[in-house]
Amino acid sequence: QKEVEQDPGPLSVPEGAIVSLNCTYSNSAFQYFMWYRQYSRKGPELLMYTYSSGNKEDGRFTAQVDKSSKYISLFIRDSQPSDSATYLCAMGDSSASKIIFGSGTRLSIRP
Amino acid sequence: EPEVTQTPSHQVTQMGQEVILRCVPISNHLYFYWYRQILGQKVEFLVSFYNNEISEKSEIFDDQFSVERPDGSNFTLKIRSTKLEDSAMYFCASSERDRPGELFFGEGSRLTVL
Repeated sequence: QKEVEQDPGPLSVPEGAIVSLNCTYSNSAFQYFMWYRQYSRKGPELLMYTYSSGNKEDGRFTAQVDKSSKYISLFIRDSQPSDSATYLCAMGDSSASKIIFGSGTRLSIRP
Repeated sequence: EPEVTQTPSHQVTQMGQEVILRCVPISNHLYFYWYRQILGQKVEFLVSFYNNEISEKSEIFDDQFSVERPDGSNFTLKIRSTKLEDSAMYFCASSERDRPGELFFGEGSRLTVL
């Protein structure tokens, strides 16, 4: 079983739609959960950072962590064409010495 | 806004040659990382570095790889004898002590091994 699983997509939705992106994981020691956005041939850019379980909201983005189910989600409201990118989930244990990334979901927002 | 900078942006080398990739992390950050991304594939962890020593390394980070913080600002990744399969984007990242796991990435160094 992979440590982090993420549907690679591609996912295509119309502008203004709500987007839901998800990851599952197997390591119960993970404490830090992040979402990154990556444009083609660029470095990942941090979107959301959460510690342990719960929800976090930042503008149009909401991150949810359910440690009991080993499941994390990112919701994007009022999606824009500029949101088109690859979205990577990432997580690590309390030492944060090794942050593991999902394979990324390629998202396309149609105008 | 402070950022992680990486050089070179692109390097082409012959198989068997040594390569050094350089990174300047954000100045008050204490944790440093190298990741690799083969074209079209996932971002893979190579190594993390804290307090002048390796914290953790992956199975990819074999004896051909080494990291160094030669001075107060630079963080380098050396590949001693490059192989064709080392062709990839190499990303450096750093994080501060109070926000472990919150990685800030550079733009990457693209390595092409011929």
